[in-house]
Amino acid sequence: NAGVTQTPKFQVLKTGQSMTLQCAQDMNHNSMYWYRQDPGMGLRLIYYSASEGTTDKGEVPNGYNVSRLNKREFSLRLESAAPSQTSVYFCASIYATGVYEQYFGPGTRLTVT
Amino acid sequence: AQSVSQHNHHVILSEAASLELGCNYSYGGTVNLFWYVQYPGQHLQLLLKYFSGDPLVKGIKGFEAEFIKSKFSFNLRKPSVQWSDTAEYFCAVNAQSTSGTYKYIFGTGTRLKVLA
Repeated sequence: NAGVTQTPKFQVLKTGQSMTLQCAQDMNHNSMYWYRQDPGMGLRLIYYSASEGTTDKGEVPNGYNVSRLNKREFSLRLESAAPSQTSVYFCASIYATGVYEQYFGPGTRLTVT
Repeated sequence: AQSVSQHNHHVILSEAASLELGCNYSYGGTVNLFWYVQYPGQHLQLLLKYFSGDPLVKGIKGFEAEFIKSKFSFNLRKPSVQWSDTAEYFCAVNAQSTSGTYKYIFGTGTRLKVLA
């Protein structure tokens, strides 16, 4: 099993450009999450999908959109990138909410100039 | 609002020193507790977790944590750290709301540096 995979690993964007971060998991997990990690701020939840067909806002959703394409894939879109979105983005999945732990992808390091 | 506090942001220890990282959460209902570790340049991995039963849980690489319900704490400990324990450590709480849904909340992390 590959676990949770993310593409791309690195990306540089200019302000105003758009891009989509891809995430896929092969563990038959039901719930998927997108976080951003910034120094001194830990992990902040952007959006999550508790199950296929549902998505909900997290703590910092502004400037982002998500799509739960199917049970395996959960993408994060930046429609008009801003320097404040420079961060490391992690996707995570979990079999079901409750007593299970999250599994994380390797991350995408995004720089917006 | 639910929150997770990690009071130590940076910790520097010498090899063989003992480690204790604090974690406190604010939530009165059912919680599941986790510690994750992030080695330099890598993604988060699970160290240990507590759901129920014995409040002293043991994880990988000699780490353990104790759940003290009355103090809303879940501190991480290791008797003797190694240079390879240099990493960032995150406490997380999975809390069940009154509607039955769960919410995952992470602390801000503690950067541990172990000097050889």
